[in-house]
Amino acid sequence: DTGVSQNPRHKITKRGQNVTFRCDPISEHNRLYWYRQTLGQGPEFLTYFQNEAQLEKSRLLSDRFSAERPKGSFSTLEIQRTEQGDSAMYLCASSLLGGYGYTFGSGTRLTVV
Amino acid sequence: AQTVTQSQPEMSVQEAETVTLSCTYDTSENNYYLFWYKQPPSRQMILVIRQEAYKQQNATENRFSVNFQKAAKSFSLKISDSQLGDTAMYFCAFRLFGNEKLTFGTGTRLTIIP
Repeated sequence: DTGVSQNPRHKITKRGQNVTFRCDPISEHNRLYWYRQTLGQGPEFLTYFQNEAQLEKSRLLSDRFSAERPKGSFSTLEIQRTEQGDSAMYLCASSLLGGYGYTFGSGTRLTVV
Repeated sequence: AQTVTQSQPEMSVQEAETVTLSCTYDTSENNYYLFWYKQPPSRQMILVIRQEAYKQQNATENRFSVNFQKAAKSFSLKISDSQLGDTAMYFCAFRLFGNEKLTFGTGTRLTIIP
């Protein structure tokens, strides 16, 4: 069990560029979550998958955001036409169906300049 | 909508002392879970302790225990014999039974002083 892995750890991008983050969950976990954490705040829910199906999306997930989890394994989160307000830590977590708590990854810190 | 409030942005305590972090929440539902997560500096968030709302007994995990007051919608975390490794942000979180979304508070930054 290598835990939840997120790549890259840090990403600096210019406003207007597209970025993509990757999350590799714990292999036997069938649920995968994306959260966003801005400075001084707690994480905010973005979306979650059960296997390959995206079951819920927050209204925070604007049209510029898209998440996928092909084959129910790793997941990607893409942000198109980045804005300065997208600067945040993007956290991925996974869990077992019926489990109580998540296992979080270390996050990807995005800075839009 | 559910909300979670942590009214202590920062706290500090001497090593080996006991500290209590406060959390209140608001919900009209009866079945839910409550959690405390720890986020050390530049490290991943880890689960400290959880409480099922239907259980009257307060959860305990080694040096960590909670005081769950369902009627008051209060869920405080007590850390006994605090250690330097307890220095971290602590987040209180809420999840409805049957719902996958966690709602977090704004966190309390806890510093253990040697």
